[in-house]
Amino acid sequence: DVKVTQSSRYLVKRTGEKVFLECVQDMDHENMFWYRQDPGLGLRLIYFSYDVKMKEKGDIPEGYSVSREKKERFSLILESASTNQTSMYLCASSLGGPPEQYFGPGTRLTVT
Amino acid sequence: GQSLEQPSEVTAVEGAIVQINCTYQTSGFYGLSWYQQHDGGAPTFLSYNALDGLEETGRFSSFLSRSDSYGYLLLQELQMKDSASYFCAWTGGLTGGGNKLTFGTGTQLKVEL
Repeated sequence: DVKVTQSSRYLVKRTGEKVFLECVQDMDHENMFWYRQDPGLGLRLIYFSYDVKMKEKGDIPEGYSVSREKKERFSLILESASTNQTSMYLCASSLGGPPEQYFGPGTRLTVT
Repeated sequence: GQSLEQPSEVTAVEGAIVQINCTYQTSGFYGLSWYQQHDGGAPTFLSYNALDGLEETGRFSSFLSRSDSYGYLLLQELQMKDSASYFCAWTGGLTGGGNKLTFGTGTQLKVEL
């Protein structure tokens, strides 16, 4: 079974802090994705990566950056957290072919 | 840009059949996927349609009509455990960006006794 793990289930940070969200997948998938999920807005793509050290902006990249130094690990970075970044963050991975993405359990981030 | 529209909420009775519709306005459409998400859980993949027509997977079926920019998820013999949110998602195909998905806002299905 594909397993996608995220470093924290719940996280509380203060405005202005630098926040790191980590995601690890164990199935040698090429593609990895970061989404945020807010009520009534569905899942919105922040960034994705289709290879080590490669990244592409999604639909809402402002205020975020990413890092992919190893194939199995994809990090989301909030350079200076703001209250409007309070959200559920979901990581996903997939093979290069079919559009089936495997999601991690999510990190609920609260910025106060 | 791309947009996908789904009803926000659907209620049905256990044992019944329910259809969740998804209409889309996109450029470069390649295929439509469906995901299920239980409260507090991660989204899980249900089905994918690249071609027009019906795809059946057990109690769940998914349909696509490219000419109508429309798809739906059909759930038969509803069970209480089917209460969840269902998302349609558009993919623009296999580019250098891989199989990037754009999700709809989701439909919350409530199954009642």
